[in-house]
Amino acid sequence: SQQGEEDPQALSIQEGENATMNCSYKTSINNLQWYRQNSGRGLVHLILIRSNEREKHSGRLRVTLDTSKKSSSLLITASRAADTASYFCATSSGGSNYKLTFGKGTLLTVNP
Amino acid sequence: DTEVTQTPKHLVMGMTNKKSLKCEQHMGHRAMYWYKQKAKKPPELMFVYSYEKLSINESVPSRFSPECPNSSLLNLHLHALQPEDSALYLCASSQVGGAQETQYFGPGTRLLVL
Repeated sequence: SQQGEEDPQALSIQEGENATMNCSYKTSINNLQWYRQNSGRGLVHLILIRSNEREKHSGRLRVTLDTSKKSSSLLITASRAADTASYFCATSSGGSNYKLTFGKGTLLTVNP
Repeated sequence: DTEVTQTPKHLVMGMTNKKSLKCEQHMGHRAMYWYKQKAKKPPELMFVYSYEKLSINESVPSRFSPECPNSSLLNLHLHALQPEDSALYLCASSQVGGAQETQYFGPGTRLLVL
């Protein structure tokens, strides 16, 4: 079953603008991660936030986690054309961190 | 070396063929994974190996047979596949223990079953 649900499903912005993607999940989690996937290629890990953290930064990325609302957001600031990709949230829960459950993803298009 | 490699990049096979997908990593990771991804869908976990032993099988049909010959290699043997098995097959690896959450993915093998 799909634990994470991203919205929007697709987002189109101009270079230099900020992009915000949201992820909701249904059960308690150990951590939540965001991955990027360029068209038809492998996934690249972006950032991990643990269930006891509320906000995390990495370069132009800012992730927030609200466990009371079971939701997370990924903000990409000052977007570039190279940021064009699909973005997936992934959660792990229970006793094992092996099993990642991915959301449906947001397709971000950054227009030059 | 922080790379996971997969071969071949593309594979076309008939429903009666037998083929294998290969995955290799040299990061010292002791957990390795196979995922299946259909177009415009998220990856779906198929198998997890931990210390070269199968630890998770997500009820995958027996026409998919995983193998982990050593800590660096992971194979997926394919036999009598169906056209609906056409997809991108992704391999990933991770540490075991405290930092196992982050998975490193290969570029994938795009499989077409005719």
